[in-house]
Amino acid sequence: DAMVIQNPRYQVTQFGKPVTLSCSQTLNHNVMYWYQQKSSQAPKLLFHYYDKDFNNEADTPDNFQSRRPNTSFCFLDIRSPGLGDAAMYLCATSRLQGVDTQYFGPGTRLTVL
Amino acid sequence: GQQLNQSPQSMFIQEGEDVSMNCTFSSIFNTWLWYKQDPGEGPVLLIALYKAGELTSNGRLTAQFGITRKDSFLNISASIPSDVGIYFCAGQTDSNYQLIWGAGTKLIIKP
Repeated sequence: DAMVIQNPRYQVTQFGKPVTLSCSQTLNHNVMYWYQQKSSQAPKLLFHYYDKDFNNEADTPDNFQSRRPNTSFCFLDIRSPGLGDAAMYLCATSRLQGVDTQYFGPGTRLTVL
Repeated sequence: GQQLNQSPQSMFIQEGEDVSMNCTFSSIFNTWLWYKQDPGEGPVLLIALYKAGELTSNGRLTAQFGITRKDSFLNISASIPSDVGIYFCAGQTDSNYQLIWGAGTKLIIKP
């Protein structure tokens, strides 16, 4: 049974055209994370929500925004995608914000033309 | 700054062989996690370790949380073709929720 679901699995957008990626979870976890992963590299944390509290990483570009309308859903908005934003975007959840295991979704592969 | 070293970077093995990989951190972790990532998929949690000295198995996989809290290893016994992929270690300190990731070990099975 899928616990962290990401849609779509593959997304193609044009340079500069806004795009939204979605994540949902059935675990009822308090924390949801968005990561960017480029080829052969470890995931890089962009931001996370603890309940409704948004926590942005210092080096996350302003081009990336997020919304969490309820416990189950979280969205990643890329306002003006550049070629360098082509990557795998991973959503993860954990029950606690502190030291706790994170569970990942299958990812959305973003291509920017 | 804090450094997490994972080795080896890649491994070429024969089916049936045992595999060992390890991670060393410059400070101490409260949690060690081992993930496997297949191409085009998200990381899947294999084993989570929460206590120094803890040794945990998951099928053919065994991982240990080093007694110094600075290192961990993952062993895979009798490798099979579906073991191919990238294995990441990751850890958390007591002061930060962020996962600190190793660079990954790519496992390739020789035909």
